[in-house]
Amino acid sequence: AQSVSQHNHHVILSEAASLELGCNYSYGGTVNLFWYVQYPGQHLQLLLKYFSGDPLVKGIKGFEAEFIKSKFSFNLRKPSVQWSDTAEYFCAVNHGSSNTGKLIFGQGTTLQVKP
Amino acid sequence: DGGITQSPKYLFRKEGQNVTLSCEQNLNHDAMYWYRQDPGQGLRLIYYSQIVNDFQKGDIAEGYSVSREKKESFPLTVTSAQKNPTAFYLCASSTSTGGGYTFGSGTRLTVV
Repeated sequence: AQSVSQHNHHVILSEAASLELGCNYSYGGTVNLFWYVQYPGQHLQLLLKYFSGDPLVKGIKGFEAEFIKSKFSFNLRKPSVQWSDTAEYFCAVNHGSSNTGKLIFGQGTTLQVKP
Repeated sequence: DGGITQSPKYLFRKEGQNVTLSCEQNLNHDAMYWYRQDPGQGLRLIYYSQIVNDFQKGDIAEGYSVSREKKESFPLTVTSAQKNPTAFYLCASSTSTGGGYTFGSGTRLTVV
């Protein structure tokens, strides 16, 4: 079965530190890839997505992610985090050829940024 | 503004009672989904529907039921057969081409 794995469950950083959150998926075919963020008390929001083309994807709030097909990875990065980036981050995948739109989510990574 | 409305935000029920969570969207999306979010487990798919009057089981459908009588609405019933119903429930919708979801704000169900 297709699965998504986020290796970092809880990350604590100081402001201005660089961030990289890992995401690996198990499906070998064409995939669409997503990162969602859930700020405290708010609903899930799309940070960025990859369907095809340039494997380096830029999203909102200075986030970016790189799709590395050979490693089945889609890691999320930000050069300099802010206290307001404190949130839970979810990686998600669906089949690129699927017509269901069904997303498989990772377990989530809680990011805590210290001021 | 278009979006997804989940109600209520908090729900308390006694063990053994069925409870229905509401999800309504005005985005004209074809597909709708119900997920359950538990700490450390991410989001797990309960049921999804691509078109009216049709729905499929997700990974953890046991103890849940849904209906899709209207495009805008996809209510979820948590039945007494669900062994561990206390959780945060999220509804989402998308176009049928799978371009990512729009999420509701969720319902936190507590069964006592």
